[in-house]
Amino acid sequence: NAGVTQTPKFQVLKTGQSMTLQCAQDMNHEYMSWYRQDPGMGLRLIHYSVGAGITDQGEVPNGYNVSRSTTEDFPLRLLLAAPSQTSVYFCASSPSGQGYEQYFGPGTRLTVT
Amino acid sequence: GIQVEQSPPDLILQEGANSTLRCNFSDSVNNLQWFHQNPWGQLINLFYIPSGTKQNGRLSATTVATERYSLLYISSSQTTDSGVYFCAVALNYGGSQGNLIFGKGTKLSVKP
Repeated sequence: NAGVTQTPKFQVLKTGQSMTLQCAQDMNHEYMSWYRQDPGMGLRLIHYSVGAGITDQGEVPNGYNVSRSTTEDFPLRLLLAAPSQTSVYFCASSPSGQGYEQYFGPGTRLTVT
Repeated sequence: GIQVEQSPPDLILQEGANSTLRCNFSDSVNNLQWFHQNPWGQLINLFYIPSGTKQNGRLSATTVATERYSLLYISSSQTTDSGVYFCAVALNYGGSQGNLIFGKGTKLSVKP
C-alpha cells in the first residue's frame, strides 16, 4: 500500500491564483481530512469528510473548498490564493471518524506571494 | 473547545539521556495519538493510545484518560530523535468526533 499520497510536494502561487492540492489513499478509509500547519504551531483542521459525498468544515475553512466524489480522493481547492494561506498542508485518513488511528500524508508546502 | 497543552515546549538533551513529555487535555477523548515530526517535516505515527500503556523499542507512552493526561517516554535518546513531538486528541462526543485537535508540540534537540 502507498498509504496517503499528496501532490505536489511544493508549490508557489501568486495572490489571486487558484489551485488544487491532491490527496489520495489506497486503504479504503472512509474518513479523510485536511490540516494546515503554520510556523511554531500544531496542525489545524480545514475540512473533513466521513465518506464519499459528505464533507464538513473544520476550524479554519475560509478560502478553501473540498469535494469527495470517490472514497480514494479528497482534493482541496484554493479559490483566490492569499499570502495568509502560505502554509504546509497535510492530508490524513482513517477507517472511520470515530476512535481510529489517523495516518498522514507527506505534506504540501505552499507559498503565496 | 477542548484544550491540549504540551510540556515542556523545548527540550535539549545529551545523547543517551532519558526524557518525559507530557500532554494534558481538558475533555473526554476517544482518540489520542503521539506523532514525531522529523526535521524534513514528515509526520510519523508513534502511538495510538486513548488509554493504557504501550511500548515500541526505546519509546513508550501512557494515557490516564480519567485524569486527562498522557506521557511519552524516550529512553537512551539518539540524535535521530530530534524534531517536534505532537500530541493530538479527538472528542468522544458531538458531531466532530474523529477530528484531531493538536497541541503546539515539544521541540526536542538531542546533542551528540
